[in-house]
Parts: sequence; C-alpha cells; structure tokens
Amino acid sequence: DSGVTQTPKHLITATGQRVTLRCSPRSGDLSVYWYQQSLDQGLQFLIQYYNGEERAKGNILERFSAQQFPDLHSELNLSSLELGDSALYFCASSGVGVDTIYFGEGSWLTVV
Amino acid sequence: DAKTTQPTSMDCAEGRAANLPCNHSTISGNEYVYWYRQIHSQGPQYIIHGLKNNETNEMASLIITEDRKSSTLILPHATLRDTAVYYCIVRHRMKTGANNLFFGTGTRLTVIP
Repeated sequence: DSGVTQTPKHLITATGQRVTLRCSPRSGDLSVYWYQQSLDQGLQFLIQYYNGEERAKGNILERFSAQQFPDLHSELNLSSLELGDSALYFCASSGVGVDTIYFGEGSWLTVV
Repeated sequence: DAKTTQPTSMDCAEGRAANLPCNHSTISGNEYVYWYRQIHSQGPQYIIHGLKNNETNEMASLIITEDRKSSTLILPHATLRDTAVYYCIVRHRMKTGANNLFFGTGTRLTVIP
C-alpha cells in the first residue's frame, strides 16, 4: 500500500460526458501528479501540483483540468469525453525536493 | 530529463538473479537514477534510486557505473511475482521546482518457473 488513495477504482461513462477523478496523497506530501496510461501505451505525465499551485504541465488535453485543494487532495476533471480517453489514470504524490514519488492504484475509465 | 535505453524484454529463471541494464549516457551530474516496476495494470511501484553510489534495499540493488552513463538493477532471487515491466528513469529537479517522472517503454521481465 503506497498510501496514495484514488477513487473511483472503475468508472464507465458515455461519450460527451464529464467525470471527476479524486486523489488523496500520502500524509504530508505536498506534490500531486497525474498520469494517463492508455491500453498498451506507456505512462504519460499530465500535470503536477505543489501545495495548491500548478507546477508542471505535460500532455494534458484542454478538455482535462485538475486542481489541488487546501487539504492537499486533488481532482482531475475530464470533460467532453471521447472513446480515446478510455485509460488508466494514476495519481502519485511526493514530499519536498526530489523526493520519491509514490503511485496510487489508479482509476479505470471506460468511455462507451 | 535524460533519455534512457532499456532492452524491450528479458527472461529470468526463478530463484536466479535478474540483472536489468539501463543506459543513460546523457545523464547530468544532478540527475538521479530511479527504478520503478509495474505489475500488470497496477500502480507503478518504487524500487530504488541512486545518484552516484551503489544502493541496496530490501527489494533490490542498484549498481551505477563510475561514469554514471549506465546502471543495472539486480533482483537477487527472482520469484514469479517479480514478473513485471521495469522502468529506469533519470530524474532531476527543474528550475520551476517540478520533478516529475518521465516513463519510457521499460523492460518486460518474465520470471520462468
């Protein structure tokens, strides 16, 4: 158990819909990261937040957005969903500096 | 981040040591070498990391060459549960303070009974 909690574990939704994925980082971790892993694809970095502020942005679509709240949990919002958005979405967290990053077990999103 | 090169796949007999190589010839002095693994579709699991010196923990050993251009992850006694994709990642802290990981394609290790 990494200490990073993601909900929901599985989600099925229709094209055009909007979903929110939630992440609780490890206790005390200030950084939260979001990654996407499509079927047979590698892990793609989407975005990083540090103590509520966006720190780095990767290959995140404009239809996707994220935020980190004062209690440090984070949400990834995916809108106008397309079939190609079906993927595993991982959240990860770390402390300060170049601290080790720990991953959650992911949220399976299926768009039908 | 510096690029890494890993073999696409490797096999290892159960109970034997698994040695997974990684080339990172463009690594900079302040960049760390991290190893993660992903078992099926579970979340990536941290294994070990190092900067210059060799490192060992309860899971594995990391051997970094003196010029730091390559490294080897060693699983001393591989078990069937070690079958996974292993990622070697070179990571540094950027000026913005961001320090995220960029995953490559990794090495698919299969432990054979």
